[in-house]
Amino acid sequence: AQSVTQPDIHITVSEGASLELRCNYSYGATPYLFWYVQSPGQGLQLLLKYFSGDTLVQGIKGFEAEFKRSQSSFNLRKPSVHWSDAAEYFCAGGPTGANNLFFGTGTRLTVIP
Amino acid sequence: GAVVSQHPSWVICKSGTSVKIECRSLDFQATTMFWYRQFPKQSLMLMATSNEGSKATYEQGVEKDKFLINHASLTLSTLTVTSAHPEDSSFYICSAPRGGNGETQYFGPGTRLLVL
Repeated sequence: AQSVTQPDIHITVSEGASLELRCNYSYGATPYLFWYVQSPGQGLQLLLKYFSGDTLVQGIKGFEAEFKRSQSSFNLRKPSVHWSDAAEYFCAGGPTGANNLFFGTGTRLTVIP
Repeated sequence: GAVVSQHPSWVICKSGTSVKIECRSLDFQATTMFWYRQFPKQSLMLMATSNEGSKATYEQGVEKDKFLINHASLTLSTLTVTSAHPEDSSFYICSAPRGGNGETQYFGPGTRLLVL
């Protein structure tokens, strides 16, 4: 079955520290992969997406993610976290683009001063 | 700015009543919209695909008579929770794709429903 897994429910990092949020997918073929951020009272915002090509994709707000087929992973990274990055992060996949997305369970990021 | 809006942002209703939630694409047309449901501390679950001019497509396990979807125009889809019960309390989110192959999905801010 198609699925996306985020192993970490909650992560706490210090401001200025690096960040990596894990995402693993299970699909028959290479899916379209996305990372979204959800802040209270706001809609899901797309951080970045991978369709094909370069496996290292750059997104907004200084985020990047690397698609690794051998590990079935699409981990999100940021070299230096800001307090404003505290939010819920969702990895999602879709077989045909951004329609019919399968979401991971989300990772809540807490940033401490 | 937001390109997909939802109304209302939150609603409290009594058990047995029906609640309508609107989803609008603000500056683009969407022949397809999606409705998700999110339980506390859980992920978004796709409920149904709303299709302009035709019937909605429901995911397995979603009661179509319970969650009525109407895609009235190219910018509006509505989700009506009929005869709501406390277990229907949740966060409902809609989205609309923009782009030729739906490669960009815009999400609404969500509607929190509390059924007493």
